[in-house]
Amino acid sequence: DTAVSQTPKYLVTQMGNDKSIKCEQNLGHDTMYWYKQDSKKFLKIMFSYNNKELIINETVPNRFSPKSPDKAHLNLHINSLELGDSAVYFCASSRAGDSYEQYFGPGTRLTVT
Amino acid sequence: AQRVTQPEKLLSVFKGAPVELKCNYSYSGSPELFWYVQYSRQRLQLLLRHISRESIKGFTADLNKGETSFHLKKPFAQEEDSAMYYCALQTSGSRLTFGEGTQLTVNP
Repeated sequence: DTAVSQTPKYLVTQMGNDKSIKCEQNLGHDTMYWYKQDSKKFLKIMFSYNNKELIINETVPNRFSPKSPDKAHLNLHINSLELGDSAVYFCASSRAGDSYEQYFGPGTRLTVT
Repeated sequence: AQRVTQPEKLLSVFKGAPVELKCNYSYSGSPELFWYVQYSRQRLQLLLRHISRESIKGFTADLNKGETSFHLKKPFAQEEDSAMYYCALQTSGSRLTFGEGTQLTVNP
């Protein structure tokens, strides 16, 4: 009974392509996030949505565009992929407000060749 | 701006030895601090948070506002504790700022 799921788990693609990563949560949470984990395992927030509304948009290239069709889904679309986009992307969700635990997905390992 | 520092990228101890993973933070507001853990080939999960003052899997962490620290401690390390540990600071909008992470290895 997976709480936060992501597809695909692995994604290998060439530079210049456009790709999407999907995320779904069945926890009834209002807030969802995307994080990027680089090759040194450093985790950094990219975006956060609360009830389909964008609330955090870090300094991320505008090639990255999140889309939230409903509050259970937050997809990440990436245009014109670059080598530096290679990383593990984690989706997470939580209840709205502070001090709540964030539940993470299994991650999507993106490799751009 | 907020910042979380974990000075040790790698930490290796023997089974049964005490372990301390250091975390320091910089934040002008009232901090909400967490420790998250990532076991090999598993997803990131919450280990503990400072407001609940709980002990999980024998780990504890005390918030020291004077030293701006939130070190994670366990008196007797176990092999199954080997994992990547992240200290995280939560600020406005539920934003989590993570430290660089400490890879803990507990040797038999």
